[in-house]
Formats: sequence, C-alpha cells, structure tokens
Amino acid sequence: KNQVEQSPQSLIILEGKNCTLQCNYTVSPFSNLRWYKQDTGRGPVSLTIMTFSENTKSNGRYTATLDADTKQSSLHITASQLSDSASYICVVSMEYGNKLVFGAGTILRVKS
Amino acid sequence: DAGVTQSPTHLIKTRGQQVTLRCSPKSGHDTVSWYQQALGQGPQFIFQYYEEEERQRGNFPDRFSGHQFPNYSSELNVNALLLGDSALYLCASRSGTAMYGYTFGSGTRLTVV
Repeated sequence: KNQVEQSPQSLIILEGKNCTLQCNYTVSPFSNLRWYKQDTGRGPVSLTIMTFSENTKSNGRYTATLDADTKQSSLHITASQLSDSASYICVVSMEYGNKLVFGAGTILRVKS
Repeated sequence: DAGVTQSPTHLIKTRGQQVTLRCSPKSGHDTVSWYQQALGQGPQFIFQYYEEEERQRGNFPDRFSGHQFPNYSSELNVNALLLGDSALYLCASRSGTAMYGYTFGSGTRLTVV
C-alpha cells in the first residue's frame, strides 16, 4: 500500500531553536518527494523537491534530506522563527509525478 | 504571473444543498487536480482533469463531480451536501508534461451546517 507517514504529529519549540521533522514512505514507483508548508486554512506552499538521485536540498533555513534506500526523508529547520508555525506536509509523487501521496503532516508551533 | 486561483474563499451551505467551487490554474498549466482536506488531516485526492476529461479519481462518491473548460479552468461540484463534506478544498495545477511542479491554490473553506 502506498503510504507516507510523518513524525512527530506535533511539535513545540522555542524561537531560535532548530528542529527536524521525519517522513517515511512506502510509495512505488517513486518519482519525487516534496516538503510543503501549510499555514492554517491556506493551500500548501512548496519548500523543497527532491528526485531519486538527490540527497539534500536547501531553501534558506529549510534543509531536506532524502535516503532513497531506506525511504526516509527529513526536513531540518534552522534558527526557527515565529512565522515557521505551520503544518509541514511530506508529499511523495509516483507514476512520473502524476499521483501524489500525502502525509498527514507535522504541526509545528514556535513559541517566543 | 498569477498562481492557482480558487473561488470563493469561504462558503457556508446547508445540508442537502449543492455547491460549485472554481479553480483557475497557473499560467501554462493544463492539468488540474482537486483535493479535500479535513481539519488536521492531509489532503485526499478527489479527481484530476486533463484535456477536459476526468483522468483519475480517488475514493469519493458520485456526488462529487467536476468539469474542465477549454481554458483549463475547472469546477468541482458537490451535490446533496453532508455535514462531513465540511473541509478545505484545494485545487492544484501543473503542466501535463512536467515531471513535477504541482502548484496549489489557497483553497475554499466549505462549511456545511
């Protein structure tokens, strides 16, 4: 069964601290993996996208890693800001990018 | 360059009514997918349109139907609304030839009372 599992379900951190979100997937055939940030009541916004051959991709304070052998990905957020408070969703594309399998997301709350 | 535009932003309907949601894809995109996202959940795939035809469908009843117009814009129709249909409805578009590149709209928040 094609699934994407994320952990933790929710996370609270202090402003300025780092955090890492996890994503494990069982999707085949794998096309690419994306991390999205979704503010409450808004559509997801793409942070990073990685194909099978890419191990790391950065976008400012966001760094995503991908281990295609273990089918695991992580999203590391450095020096968190209050505006980082959102849901972070891991999405795996299959069938040459035509089908998306969504994780349930990790809700991140950054406190001052 | 406008991204994906959805309307309306918010909508309140009564149980049993019908609703139509609209989506204009990003410029250059010709494939539109619709998702339902319940509160606290990840988006669930409803269906995808390409060349004015429904190409793929998720596990949603026939009450959910759609349409794509020659200009690639799309509509999602839901008949006989249930309380459980309350959700954020997301539209995503991409170029049919692109390996990746889904762009999401901001969604329509539907509340059924």
